Amino acid sequence: GAGVSQSPRYKVAKRGQDVALRCDPISGHVSLFWYQQALGQGPEFLTYFQNEAQLDKSGLPSDRFFAERPEGSVSTLKIQRTQQEDSAVYLCASSFSFGTTYNEQFFGPGTRLTVL
Amino acid sequence: AQSVTQLDSQVPVFEEAPVELRCNYSSSVSVYLFWYVQYPNQGLQLLLKYLSGSTLVKGINGFEAEFNKSQTSFHLRKPSVHISDTAEYFCAVSESGTASKLTFGTGTRLQVTL
Repeated sequence: GAGVSQSPRYKVAKRGQDVALRCDPISGHVSLFWYQQALGQGPEFLTYFQNEAQLDKSGLPSDRFFAERPEGSVSTLKIQRTQQEDSAVYLCASSFSFGTTYNEQFFGPGTRLTVL
Repeated sequence: AQSVTQLDSQVPVFEEAPVELRCNYSSSVSVYLFWYVQYPNQGLQLLLKYLSGSTLVKGINGFEAEFNKSQTSFHLRKPSVHISDTAEYFCAVSESGTASKLTFGTGTRLQVTL
């Protein structure tokens, strides 16, 4: 079956522009994660959804970042008034379930955002 | 909170030679440990994981890692590398017992040459 898909794969934005990044998780996956990977760094956690509920947004760097998953499937990460420091690859991952047992996170290919 | 340290940013190695990529972690709670590989312009792929039980875990592509609780380490090894192993490798941890977020190290670039 299809894996996690993300669109667009590449996005160039002028500073101050708003952007929206989309994540299509694997069908049936309950948990969805967003990570930010700056150049030369490891991914850093941004936010986590369990179905449509955003249970953890502790990693969002500022109030310019907003994520939603209204129907518990597709998720959108929105960045308002983009700044140059927002330039990074944004990774989405999904896993089948949640709770006390381990479930592998499957990653999408990422969206590379460049803010000029 | 957890943290991961990968001291080697780059590791050059000749093809068919053995390699070890080092990973140390810090955590106040029990953790799961992971190694991911990232090829250019691709997403992260799970190589192997330690959840519990045997401290020596084997993964895909001939890689293995050993969990050492006393040294808080989870080093990745391969006895004989191939050109196709050239990639970025990330060590990661998550709090055990939950479907929780991953905390990654800064990555090690493995460069395999002839």
